[in-house]
Amino acid sequence: EIVLTQSPGTLSLSPGERATLSCRASQSVSSSYLAWYQQKPGQAPRLLIYGASSRATGIPDRFSGSGSGTDFTLTISRLEPEDFAVYYCQQYGGTPLTFGGGTKVEIK
Amino acid sequence: EVQLVESGGGLVQPGGSLRLSCAASGFTFSSYWMHWVRQAPGKGLVWVSRINSDGSSTSYADSVKGRFTISRDNAKNTLYLQMNSLRAEDTAVYYCARRDGAFDIWGQGTMVTVSS
Repeated sequence: EIVLTQSPGTLSLSPGERATLSCRASQSVSSSYLAWYQQKPGQAPRLLIYGASSRATGIPDRFSGSGSGTDFTLTISRLEPEDFAVYYCQQYGGTPLTFGGGTKVEIK
Repeated sequence: EVQLVESGGGLVQPGGSLRLSCAASGFTFSSYWMHWVRQAPGKGLVWVSRINSDGSSTSYADSVKGRFTISRDNAKNTLYLQMNSLRAEDTAVYYCARRDGAFDIWGQGTMVTVSS
C-alpha cells in the first residue's frame, strides 16, 4: 500500500498570499496518477488536479500541481477567500487507492 | 446535469446490515468504473471499494473485505454497497464517486452511524 504523507497539517495564511502544500509518497506513484481535492465543511470533495499537474474542468489557474515519483506539490498562487478549506492528495495508480491525511488552509 | 445521489444511510446497531445506493444521472453510467469512499466524523478520506464498468471485477479495502459487497445495475444507473457485520468504526459519511482518471464526480454523501 502506498502511504501518502501531507505537510503541513495546517497552513495559516492571509488572502492574497501563496500557499504551497506537499504530498510525499512511500513509493513511486505510477504514471503520475496523483490527484488533489478540495473539501469544504459539509461538502463532498472537489477534484482540482489530476495526473499530478492537469487542472480539472472549471478550476481557476491560480491552482497548479507539480511533481513526480514520490514528491508532489499543490500551489495556490494567490489565496482567495473561497480557497480556505482542507486539501487532500490521492494516488490512483495502484490498489488500494489511498489518500493523504489532508492539509487545512486556514485564515491567519 | 451530471449527478450522483446517495441514499440508504442511517442508524444501525453493531452487527447489523445496511445497503447504500448511488443513483447516477446525466452521463453514460455503464461506461465508468465507480468507487465508494468514506469519511469518519472529523477525519480524512478513506477509499472503500471499486467496481469496473460491467460489474465483473471488484476490489475492497482490507478493513471491509468479507463484510461489504459492491455491485451495480447498469440498467437502473445505480451503484450499491451492501454492508454487513457493521462495526462502530464503520461510522462515516459514505460517498460514491465516478472515476474518469481521478474521481471527477462525487455524490453529496450519506451518513452511516453504527451504535447501540
